[in-house]
Amino acid sequence: NAGVTQTPKFQVLKTGQSMTLQCAQDMNHEYMSWYRQDPGMGLRLIHYSVGAGITDQGEVPNGYNVSRSTTEDFPLRLLSAAPSQTSVYFCASSPTGTGLYYNEQFFGPGTRLTVL
Amino acid sequence: AQKITQTQPGMFVQEKEAVTLDCTYDTSDPSYGLFWYKQPSSGEMIFLIYQGSYDQQNATEGRYSLNFQKARKSANLVISASQLGDSAMYFCAMREGSGNQFYFGTGTSLTVIP
Repeated sequence: NAGVTQTPKFQVLKTGQSMTLQCAQDMNHEYMSWYRQDPGMGLRLIHYSVGAGITDQGEVPNGYNVSRSTTEDFPLRLLSAAPSQTSVYFCASSPTGTGLYYNEQFFGPGTRLTVL
Repeated sequence: AQKITQTQPGMFVQEKEAVTLDCTYDTSDPSYGLFWYKQPSSGEMIFLIYQGSYDQQNATEGRYSLNFQKARKSANLVISASQLGDSAMYFCAMREGSGNQFYFGTGTSLTVIP
């Protein structure tokens, strides 16, 4: 199993450009999520999904879109990049469902994004 | 209110000594799970240890143990016999039984001194 994969690993954008960060998992997990990590702020939830066709906003959703057309994939779209979106982005997945709160999240390797 | 609070931005420990990283949580859900992750300088997130709200005993995984005090809503990570490779960021997280989200603290940076 590859686990959770993310592409690209590094990306530099200019202000106003759009792009999609890719995330895929091969563990058949229903729950997938996107976080951004900034110094001193820990991991902040951007968007999450509990299954194909179901997404919801997290703590910091503005400027980002997601969709979930399959169980495996959960791409994150930056609509018009801003310097404030310079960060490290992590995708994660986990089983979910009643009583499954004991399952940990599996993280991808992260994408380091710089917006100039 | 913050769901997870880590009050120690940075900690230092001498090699081979034990160290405790603090974590307090806030929930009214009787069912929840508490997790610790390690993030070395290479950036990946590594799952360390889990404690369930109904677990009667503190969780242990090798040199890692979780000091779970339910009444105080604390879930401190104890690392015994610290090694240089333990230098990293450590994150505490919680997942409630009634929801799907994971809530993370802001992390503690641990430096092990030779």
